[in-house]
Amino acid sequence: EVQLVESGGGLVKPGGSLRLSCAASGFTFSSYSMNWVRQAPGKGLEWVSSISSSSSYIYYADSVKGRFTISRDNAKNSLYLQMNSLRAEDTAVYYCARAKSIAVAGTRVYYFDYWGQGTLVTVSS
Amino acid sequence: EIVMTQSPATLSVSPGERATLSCRASQSVSSNLAWYQQKPGQAPRLLIYGASTRATGIPARFSGSGSGTEFTLTISSLQSEDFAVYYCQQYNNWPKTFGPGTKVDIK
Repeated sequence: EVQLVESGGGLVKPGGSLRLSCAASGFTFSSYSMNWVRQAPGKGLEWVSSISSSSSYIYYADSVKGRFTISRDNAKNSLYLQMNSLRAEDTAVYYCARAKSIAVAGTRVYYFDYWGQGTLVTVSS
Repeated sequence: EIVMTQSPATLSVSPGERATLSCRASQSVSSNLAWYQQKPGQAPRLLIYGASTRATGIPARFSGSGSGTEFTLTISSLQSEDFAVYYCQQYNNWPKTFGPGTKVDIK
């Protein structure tokens, strides 16, 4: 059974830092791209960042570029999100999500097939 | 960035009735469109990918259609467990954008 368990959320002051972790089990972690998606209280879903299976390709939403860093440790089956210079608008539940790769018309595309339960990050003074 | 819109924002349906949810992309995403269901306090769950392929374990009452810029999620006969928020997401381009969601509630 695929399991994704996030941790590391909490209350942090504006300008502060936090590191989120996602522990994966039930699948070959090193074979999958992984993602962070967030959801502000009462709002919709916002993709934050993606990392390929070998960390060769990394993408960020413009809203977090230069402040957040995604990484992974395939030996530990873990995904991370280092969040610096946090702002009130970063307050959200942060989900890690596995990316399922399929070939479409000669290119590979990725959708999110499994999600963790999320960890809440609150940025407030 | 591709902007996703969904309509209606809220859909009130009686159990056993049919629900039709719409999703529109600001430019073509081919068939690279997914639908997710989210219940209060829970993570999103994948329902449909490739615009029309049901994910593992998803009941046949859920169906998806469309391509290009116009997509539809149909729930043929609403069950009590289907009352939730539904999001569409395009994964054709970066960034992978979500629609604002359609809340399906009990009429």
